[in-house]
Amino acid sequence: GAGVSQSPSNKVTEKGKDVELRCDPISGHTALYWYRQSLGQGLEFLIYFQGNSAPDKSGLPSDRFSAERTGGSVSTLTIQRTQQEDSAVYLCASSLVYGAEAFFGQGTRLTVV
Amino acid sequence: GQQLNQSPQSMFIQEGEDVSMNCTSSSIFNTWLWYKQDPGEGPVLLIALYKAGELTSNGRLTAQFGTTRKDSFLNISASIPSDVGIYFCAGQLRGSQGNLIFGKGTKLSVKP
Repeated sequence: GAGVSQSPSNKVTEKGKDVELRCDPISGHTALYWYRQSLGQGLEFLIYFQGNSAPDKSGLPSDRFSAERTGGSVSTLTIQRTQQEDSAVYLCASSLVYGAEAFFGQGTRLTVV
Repeated sequence: GQQLNQSPQSMFIQEGEDVSMNCTSSSIFNTWLWYKQDPGEGPVLLIALYKAGELTSNGRLTAQFGTTRKDSFLNISASIPSDVGIYFCAGQLRGSQGNLIFGKGTKLSVKP
């Protein structure tokens, strides 16, 4: 597609439920990043993919968080047993190759109630 | 973890004023990127810098990759109301596996 697409744009879930967030990167982009942004805060790195592999998972806050990427394209970020502190905007970005400029999607606003 | 120190945290602008913000680190970076984020939107890339000393303009925006490779600045000339928003610097550390590190942002607001 023309830009990075994320779905859903908004998600409200009950504490304890699992959620899946999806990212469709720009076609042909090999690098894909996930970030988390709490209200009024900066961007917190979660995980980075080069192709289908994740060289850097250092930002995942707990083992409740996982991500995968298939076919070098779509990525899914899964949060299990959601907690209220997981509420944030989850942003995905992609770049042609690692180290090149990254382009962001609109984000998924997750609210855990 | 690695940190980018972005300053100022916030600033008020009057239309027509020039604006300057910067990011510094104790580490060396291969890439510096500058983004602007409007409320409810994802960050939008403004300028990308890849070489030490590189000076790049995008309209009224000018950014430079510091010669020490540990800093970068962004200038906005003759600011207009639509310049308000949050500006983020981001960089890729030399020798890193590709992760982009972000500064905490500079919030631009209009003077009341």
